Amino acid sequence: KAGVTQTPRYLIKTRGQQVTLSCSPISGHRSVSWYQQTPGQGLQFLFEYFSETQRNKGNFPGRFSGRQFSNSRSEMNVSTLELGDSALYLCASSAGGSGNTEAFFGQGTRLTVV
Amino acid sequence: AQSVAQPEDQVNVAEGNPLTVKCTYSVSGNPYLFWYVQYPNRGLQFLLKYITGDNLVKGSYGFEAEFNKSQTSFHLKKPSALVSDSALYFCAVRDYGGGSNYKLTFGKGTLLTVNP
Repeated sequence: KAGVTQTPRYLIKTRGQQVTLSCSPISGHRSVSWYQQTPGQGLQFLFEYFSETQRNKGNFPGRFSGRQFSNSRSEMNVSTLELGDSALYLCASSAGGSGNTEAFFGQGTRLTVV
Repeated sequence: AQSVAQPEDQVNVAEGNPLTVKCTYSVSGNPYLFWYVQYPNRGLQFLLKYITGDNLVKGSYGFEAEFNKSQTSFHLKKPSALVSDSALYFCAVRDYGGGSNYKLTFGKGTLLTVNP
């Protein structure tokens, strides 16, 4: 079956702009999580959605937001972009619920803020 | 709070030799442990997981990991390394303390280089 699809793969934005990233999880998966990956901070958890509800949120400013639709697809939005937001943004999907399921990651969206 | 430590930023091994990538963890509840691999400009690929049961877990591409509760470790191993194993490896933990949310905490990653 198809894996996790993230679009777009690459983005270049200017400081102050906003950006929306999209993630389509594996069919049947109801949990979608977002992570930011940077060379300095590594992989950091942004938030997780399950059945359209945010279940958990990481320690990021309110400029970072997300949502999940009824078909489990998720979007992540970053407003008022800063240079430090340049990163690889990864989306992961899992069946959710019990703890014994692994998460599957998309290829990521490389965001560059100039 | 849960945490994961990968004490080595980089590991170099010769092709054909055994490899070990180290990971230690800290959680308040029962640990669910994972190893992922990342190739350049790619997402993370799942290698293996420990949930419960046997302490030696076998995964993809010939990798295995040994869970040691007393040492709170989950080291990744492979008996014979390949050049194609060269990549960035991440250890992760999900603290399933009774909640149902899905959050992984990752280590900083270990860059594995296998020399021909």
